[in-house]
Order: sequence, then C-alpha cells, then structure tokens
Amino acid sequence: DTAVSQTPKYLVTQMGNDKSIKCEQNLGHDTMYWYKQDSKKFLKIMFSYNNKELIINETVPNRFSPKSPDKAHLNLHINSLELGDSAVYFCASSQDLSLAGGREQFFGPGTRLTVL
Amino acid sequence: QKEVEQDPGPLSVPEGAIVSLNCTYSNSAFQYFMWYRQYSRKGPELLMYTYSSGNKEDGRFTAQVDKSSKYISLFIRDSQPSDSATYLCAMSALDNNDMRFGAGTRLTVKP
Repeated sequence: DTAVSQTPKYLVTQMGNDKSIKCEQNLGHDTMYWYKQDSKKFLKIMFSYNNKELIINETVPNRFSPKSPDKAHLNLHINSLELGDSAVYFCASSQDLSLAGGREQFFGPGTRLTVL
Repeated sequence: QKEVEQDPGPLSVPEGAIVSLNCTYSNSAFQYFMWYRQYSRKGPELLMYTYSSGNKEDGRFTAQVDKSSKYISLFIRDSQPSDSATYLCAMSALDNNDMRFGAGTRLTVKP
C-alpha cells in the first residue's frame, strides 16, 4: 500500500546509455514531481505535472524528458547519460495547487543513479 | 546568493537536548514554509508546515517563521536518537507550488 513508489531503487549504467525511471502514486493526487538530490543532499525540482500538463521545467537539459501516461504515473526518461547525472532522483506527488495542506508533497523512496 | 540558505551541519547533540535548526531566504514572495525530515536512504517526509508568520507547535516540534527577517526555525525539544536525520526547510510562494529546498542539516542525537 505504498503511497508513492519508484522503480528501480538502484540503477548503475554506462555513460551514453538511455535509461528510464518509473513512478506511480496511489493517492489520487493531481500533481506529480521529479526532484534531483545531489551528493551534498541538495534537493532541486526538475519537473512537475498537473493533470498531465507540464507546469514547471527548471533549467534541466533536454536529455531529460518526463512522460505521464496518466494521472497516477510520471516516468523520467534520460538520454545520453553523463557522469554528472549521478544522483538520487525522487518522485513526489501532491493533492493539488491549493493552500491548506494541499501542497504537502509525498515523496517516493528515491532511485539512486550511478553513471560510470 | 541562493534563494534558501541552510547550514548543512553536521550537528551532533546529546539525547534530551533542545535542537535549533534554521533557514534564511531572500524571496519575499515566499508565504508557505515547511520542514521535511529525511532519514538515510529514504525520501523526505513532511514534518511541519506554516503559512505566513508565526509559530506552530506539534508535540516536541515547534516551527517559527519571521517574515520580517526572512528567517525560519525548527525547534526540537527533548531530542531522541530517533530524531537523527537530515532536516530540510522548504518554501513556496502563494501563486505556485514551485517549492525551494534548503541544503538540509544533518542531525545526530547521541544516546
């Protein structure tokens, strides 16, 4: 009954490869996010999706492409992986954009990506 | 200057101590302030949130927001070894959910 789940938990791959990380939430939330947490624990938002529409796209290289087949899923596809992409990637979801608790973001367990 | 500044620590205290964690920020549009706790190799989980200025208490935890100083704090009373984690402050403006996180402070409570 995990609220936000991600697969895989660990991903080790070679530079130049293409990989995907999957995320699913069973909370009925409208908004989902991808975050990158670097080795210094700094958590930075990459994308968010509200009802399948991209609403935030920070200065993220276009090698990263989020895909949302439905409201409960937000996958992250990464092309031509680079050494600097090594990090922990967290998926999160929130109920909606309203105040009063609607903004609480529930995080998945993270995917630890290592690029060799 | 980063939008949100947080001392990464590490911070080590004895069990039972009062812990004070702080963040400063530069964006005066921030109105919604949160503290997340992240255990090792886990995702962050929301601990407390406050809207605008003021204090909020929940058990051993108290969150304070001083918008005039652009300064927020989290106090942990009677700290326990189970409180050992990284604590991240986060904040967002009213008109969007673009949340900005601090770097996180790593706390260790020693028995």
